[in-house]
Amino acid sequence: GEDVEQSLFLSVREGDSSVINCTYTDSSSTYLYWYKQEPGAGLQLLTYIFSNMDMKQDQRLTVLLNKKDKHLSLRIADTQTGDSAIYFCAERRNNAGNMLTFGGGTRLMVKP
Amino acid sequence: DGGITQSPKYLFRKEGQNVTLSCEQNLNHDAMYWYRQDPGQGLRLIYYSQIVNDFQKGDIAEGYSVSREKKESFPLTVTSAQKNPTAFYLCASSASFTGADTQYFGPGTRLTVL
Repeated sequence: GEDVEQSLFLSVREGDSSVINCTYTDSSSTYLYWYKQEPGAGLQLLTYIFSNMDMKQDQRLTVLLNKKDKHLSLRIADTQTGDSAIYFCAERRNNAGNMLTFGGGTRLMVKP
Repeated sequence: DGGITQSPKYLFRKEGQNVTLSCEQNLNHDAMYWYRQDPGQGLRLIYYSQIVNDFQKGDIAEGYSVSREKKESFPLTVTSAQKNPTAFYLCASSASFTGADTQYFGPGTRLTVL
């Protein structure tokens, strides 16, 4: 199985908040990332958080990090139909340069 | 306009044929990466290159080969030894390999074996 786990699917109504969760296994990970993938496209970096932070906010996006539980979440406020995509979390592997381990992705569907 | 380009967007191959996927970046990045994505799954690392004229195997290198003769180019060859090559292939680059530099992704190539 994967070292980084995400739920497969999330459905929300337009205007609601979305919360996408991720658990990781390497407690020494220094950076954790959130990427967005639209259909048939590459990955777009949304945001990242350094392991000495608990929270990072960037406009509609809020990242929460619970190092004790190795839990990462991405909250999207006022979710829009354009937010419909697959969201991947990734951890930077320890002692492995800049290599990342990706979760399986969460497909977010936003209903009008 | 800086970025990463991959070509072609769609590629069809007959069984038993080798095929090469192109990846070019004009970001002046030292490190480049190739990933494979299967439906409903995350990305798995095939090969990576820390610097020009260097490359190392990733997690699933069997049946693939790469070269890094120029800083801006990192082509991936899918050989006939790859048992299940149909997938979406993504190339990425970062400013360096040792720093915590963000990986930026190309638009991907979808390979289908007929």
